Amino acid sequence: ETGVTQTPRHLVMGMTNKKSLKCEQHLGHNAMYWYKQSAKKPLELMFVYNFKEQTENNSVPSRFSPECPNSSHLFLHLHTLQPEDSALYLCASSPGLNKNIQYFGAGTRLSVL
Amino acid sequence: QQQVKQSPQSLIVQKGGISIINCAYENTAFDYFPWYQQFPGKGPALLIAIRPDVSEKKEGRFTISFNKSAKQFSLHIMDSQPGDSATYFCAAPGGSSNTGKLIFGQGTTLQVKP
Repeated sequence: ETGVTQTPRHLVMGMTNKKSLKCEQHLGHNAMYWYKQSAKKPLELMFVYNFKEQTENNSVPSRFSPECPNSSHLFLHLHTLQPEDSALYLCASSPGLNKNIQYFGAGTRLSVL
Repeated sequence: QQQVKQSPQSLIVQKGGISIINCAYENTAFDYFPWYQQFPGKGPALLIAIRPDVSEKKEGRFTISFNKSAKQFSLHIMDSQPGDSATYFCAAPGGSSNTGKLIFGQGTTLQVKP
């Protein structure tokens, strides 16, 4: 248990569905991150939040919509996804942006049909 | 686009042997260089990390060697065990300081044979 919990662990959705991924960290950290992990590719940073304010959007398509209501919770809202969006979506947290040691959750395995 | 080049892509080592994974980075070294270990179906777990003002850090069987002038760093796993079989990722600070960003290598799949 890393202190970062992601739900659901697995998700199958159609291209017209709307779903949300949830991440919660119990480490008292102030920064949270969303990553996409696809086979044979490095982890791709999607979004960064610091004290619940977005500080980075790595040119992510608008069909991915993040939400950070507080420093402990992070959501990724999904709508009208494409099959190529199928991947493992990982959430991570770090003490702050001034220390880049990040702790990851187990991820949500997403399949878009 | 900053990159971290990691090699080899895959590695097979006999039990008790030494596993060595290398990474090269492009950015300025201003923050931690962590290594992560990932088992199938799990998220990456922090293994060991080093600051750029240190040339070596050892934790148990795991050692990071850091060469700031060459912009290279490596992970050495001594006395490799079958339980070490996993995918290993190196990461380097990305962007500018105080962004918290990490740039990851492509990963090395390690198989330790009994």
